Amino acid sequence: RKEVEQDPGPFNVPEGATVAFNCTYSNSASQSFFWYRQDCRKEPKLLMSVYSSGNEDGRFTAQLNRASQYISLLIRDSKLSDSATYLCVVPFYNQGGKLIFGQGTELSVKP
Amino acid sequence: DTGVSQNPRHKITKRGQNVTFRCDPISEHNRLYWYRQTLGQGPEFLTYFQNEAQLEKSRLLSDRFSAERPKGSFSTLEIQRTEQGDSAMYLCASSPGTSSYEQYFGPGTRLTVT
Repeated sequence: RKEVEQDPGPFNVPEGATVAFNCTYSNSASQSFFWYRQDCRKEPKLLMSVYSSGNEDGRFTAQLNRASQYISLLIRDSKLSDSATYLCVVPFYNQGGKLIFGQGTELSVKP
Repeated sequence: DTGVSQNPRHKITKRGQNVTFRCDPISEHNRLYWYRQTLGQGPEFLTYFQNEAQLEKSRLLSDRFSAERPKGSFSTLEIQRTEQGDSAMYLCASSPGTSSYEQYFGPGTRLTVT
């Protein structure tokens, strides 16, 4: 089993739609998580951190279910500029903070 | 620009040649990480440094790969005898390492081995 698994998509949604991405992780000891955004041929950039049950930032909501080892990212009122790949990330703090990335979920928001 | 920088941005080389990439982290960040990313996949961890000490290497880092961070500032990643399977984006990231484990990525070096 991969350490971090995501549905690769692509998700094609119209502007204004609500879209949710799911991610599962295998290390039950993991305490915090990240969602990174990566635009085509660019570097990943931190979108949100998830340290407890969840986190909300404007149109973006991240939720964590430790019992199911499941993380989600919800985007409300999608914008064209949200089109990107969203990467679920688990940091391994006991191994120097290295990041383990999921495959990424591609989102395309259409007019 | 005070972000992470990487050079070169693109490198095309013939199979069997050696290549070296450079990463300049954010000033005062004592942790530096190297990742590799192939098309359609998330980045994969290669190695990391705490100051000048290389503390972990992934199994992905074969004997042909070597990384250094001689003075705890910039880092180099060398690939010897390149193979077509080495074609990928090589990403560098840095982190304060003490107060935060958030990593800031550079723009990457895209390697194409022909």
